[in-house]
Amino acid sequence: AQSVAQPEDQVNVAEGNPLTVKCTYSVSGNPYLFWYVQYPNRGLQFLLKYITGDNLVKGSYGFEAEFNKSQTSFHLKKPSALVSDSALYFCAVRAPGFQKLVFGTGTRLLVSP
Amino acid sequence: EAQVTQNPRYLITVTGKKLTVTCSQNMNHEYMSWYRQDPGLGLRQIYYSMNVEVTDKGDVPEGYKVSRKEKRNFPLILESPSPNQTSLYFCASSLSWGLNTEAFFGQGTRLTVV
Repeated sequence: AQSVAQPEDQVNVAEGNPLTVKCTYSVSGNPYLFWYVQYPNRGLQFLLKYITGDNLVKGSYGFEAEFNKSQTSFHLKKPSALVSDSALYFCAVRAPGFQKLVFGTGTRLLVSP
Repeated sequence: EAQVTQNPRYLITVTGKKLTVTCSQNMNHEYMSWYRQDPGLGLRQIYYSMNVEVTDKGDVPEGYKVSRKEKRNFPLILESPSPNQTSLYFCASSLSWGLNTEAFFGQGTRLTVV
């Protein structure tokens, strides 16, 4: 079975500081990993994905994520946080042979001015 | 503009009164799915459809029905809603059921069943 864990319900960071939102996964086979962001009263928006290749993936709005196979992690990062980055972030995984995305429980990012 | 459109955005209904939440996409996507979002549980898949007339159960299908008569539409039907179906619902579509295609989400439908 495939699963995703986001160990932090909330991450607080000051504007201008680097941010990390953690995600670990469990799948059989090579994972396909995604990050989505949800702003208030909006649907989820795609940020980035890892399919194969470079372990560092760059996505929208200056976000990037690092795939670490040995640690089964796919942490979301940004060098300098903005107040407008405050939102709910979801990590998701899709495994070979499965047609669905499995989502984590979400991490709320709060960036203070 | 490429989008997934859900209606209604907000709905309050009473137990047992049948309702339908519509979902339409204008991207010619093959794959569509429904999720519900509950605090502390993330998003859980209700039903999915790999193409017209092909649907299957997700993780939490009980109490829901779907149909896919046309490629662009994928309505979610609650025949007899109950309070435990109070939730935030999202429809999503992707180009195909292939493994590396990202999903596009609608804006959500907040359903309250009293």
